[in-house]
Amino acid sequence: DADVTQTPRNRITKTGKRIMLECSQTKGHDRMYWYRQDPGLGLRLIYYSFDVKDINKGEISDGYSVSRQAQAKFSLSLESAIPNQTALYFCATSEGGKGEQYFGPGTRLTVT
Amino acid sequence: GENVEQHPSTLSVQEGDSAVIKCTYSDSASNYFPWYKQELGKRPQLIIDIRSNVGEKKDQRIAVTLNKTAKHFSLHITETQPEDSAVYFCAASIGWGKLQFGAGTQVVVTP
Repeated sequence: DADVTQTPRNRITKTGKRIMLECSQTKGHDRMYWYRQDPGLGLRLIYYSFDVKDINKGEISDGYSVSRQAQAKFSLSLESAIPNQTALYFCATSEGGKGEQYFGPGTRLTVT
Repeated sequence: GENVEQHPSTLSVQEGDSAVIKCTYSDSASNYFPWYKQELGKRPQLIIDIRSNVGEKKDQRIAVTLNKTAKHFSLHITETQPEDSAVYFCAASIGWGKLQFGAGTQVVVTP
């Protein structure tokens, strides 16, 4: 869905580096989410935001932080990357009162 | 919190046969159950969803059934085709809030 974009699409970084993943959407949705996907573990929620002033931890928030700069932008930061944060990261959006989540294309992050 | 278990983890079917994926959830307050399909190298996309006031929903070759008493729901794909090969995820939520996903099922349709 071209309405939800993520940058970068691929990133290789070293242990200890700070990295930011960005998500933008033009769908006008108020809710945004960050997931990580690992083989055999499905999609696990890192953080979610139901509006600009609302930020909530998901099931695996340790080692991550987020910023909701505007309704259309939601960034995920790894303050000090470690190898077990190597994964595929997805941003998603939804409209309040409706269930469907729309995913971005994903960012493949490798921490060496 | 909510816990969603999904089985099987892999499913191989002959083209034209049916495929069934089952999920169980733990929180009886959950009332929204979507299914997402993720093709290789692509993003997950919603294929069908069901709310707790409905027992079954169909959309062409796919259907979802829900048993609230047993707290499980299933995805049924009939007349499978090669383009049905993908990873399928079930999920559950309370209201239309955050989703708890299952671990996924890799479906392979062989000609």
